[in-house]
Amino acid sequence: QIALKESGPTLVKPTQTLTLTCTFSGFSLSTSGVGVGWIRQPPGKALEWLALIYWDDDQRYSPSLKSRLTITKDTSKNQVVLTMTNMDPVDTATYYCARCVRHFDYWGQGALVTVSA
Amino acid sequence: EIMLTQSPGTLSLSPGEEATLSCRASQNIGSSYLVWYQQKPGQAPRLLIFGASSRATGIPDRFSGSGSGTDFTLTITRLEPEDFAVYYCQQYESSPITFGQGTRLEIK
Repeated sequence: QIALKESGPTLVKPTQTLTLTCTFSGFSLSTSGVGVGWIRQPPGKALEWLALIYWDDDQRYSPSLKSRLTITKDTSKNQVVLTMTNMDPVDTATYYCARCVRHFDYWGQGALVTVSA
Repeated sequence: EIMLTQSPGTLSLSPGEEATLSCRASQNIGSSYLVWYQQKPGQAPRLLIFGASSRATGIPDRFSGSGSGTDFTLTITRLEPEDFAVYYCQQYESSPITFGQGTRLEIK
């Protein structure tokens, strides 16, 4: 069965760089049409799409955060890594990774990241 | 960027009633690129409807989606206690992917 899980720090300081890893199973990121995306949700607020990487290494980013984001994949390890630079308290959120087959059909449980000094 | 506006913000209904949730897009997104998710407290979103009207695997038939162009609707008939949650629409007609702000369905 398909599963995804986010991992990374729970607490980062302002100005630091956040690195999150999505480790997945049950599908391959070398399959045509498949992607893995990152979505975040500040406490009590709506979902916000961040980035997406496809099987062919095509990368897409939210325009408002593009300068701070990098998404990469390691197909052999079944992992996708998101880095976000210059973290700020407003970036405090639960960060989800999800499989994308045009829509997000399987989601990880989410990882809460708090930005605080 | 395509903006999605969901209404109402909160919907108060009783079990057994029918819920109608709206999602309006700022541009035409056709009939194939609109998705609905359900999210319960402390949980990840769950895919309900894709392609505006196709139910995801395991989703009960009391959930249905309709619409095209800029106006879309999620209808939940015969509300069950487990249906009370927050519902989000999302479009993937063009990048950037965008979500609506959500509709909270609460027990009256």
